[in-house]
Amino acid sequence: QKEVEQNSGPLSVPEGAIASLNCTYSDRGSQSFFWYRQYSGKSPELIMSIYSNGDKEDGRFTAQLNKASQYVSLLIRDSQPSDSATYLCAVRKGSNYQLIWGAGTKLIIKP
Amino acid sequence: DVKVTQSSRYLVKRTGEKVFLECVQDMDHENMFWYRQDPGLGLRLIYFSYDVKMKEKGDIPEGYSVSREKKERFSLILESASTNQTSMYLCASSSPWGAGETQYFGPGTRLLVL
Repeated sequence: QKEVEQNSGPLSVPEGAIASLNCTYSDRGSQSFFWYRQYSGKSPELIMSIYSNGDKEDGRFTAQLNKASQYVSLLIRDSQPSDSATYLCAVRKGSNYQLIWGAGTKLIIKP
Repeated sequence: DVKVTQSSRYLVKRTGEKVFLECVQDMDHENMFWYRQDPGLGLRLIYFSYDVKMKEKGDIPEGYSVSREKKERFSLILESASTNQTSMYLCASSSPWGAGETQYFGPGTRLLVL
């Protein structure tokens, strides 16, 4: 079992709809969770971090964390073609600031 | 504005060559990381460093070494390049203080070993 798992996609969503991206992790003691976006040929950039159970909203993005079920999700409302990218889930490992990365989900927003 | 730079965007080397990839950050971050990224495999940690002259092996250190002589600079060395080291190499840095767990990435170096 991979430590951080994501569906590789591609996930195709119509413009204006809600895109839902999911990530599960295996270490029950994980405390910090991150969503990064990576455009083709570019490096990853942070979208959101979340540390507590529940929802965290930032503009069109909402991160959801459920530690009991060991999953973290990212919702993108009013999806735009510019949201088309690969979304990487990362989980902090222990106390040494290492991150464990999922392989990413490719999101395609269709105009 | 945070900035991580890498010495080359594209690099072509021959099998057996010694290859140096350099990463510089201007954010005074303690932590620096080298990853490689391959299709379907995601980001895999090669080495990281949490202080000058300190280094820790990541998940795939074989065939690589690193050097951190100054806080802002973290170098990745391929001792004898092989074709299976053809990949995208990404450097990142982060700070252990405050809300500084965010890793900031450089633009990446796409290495082709022939």
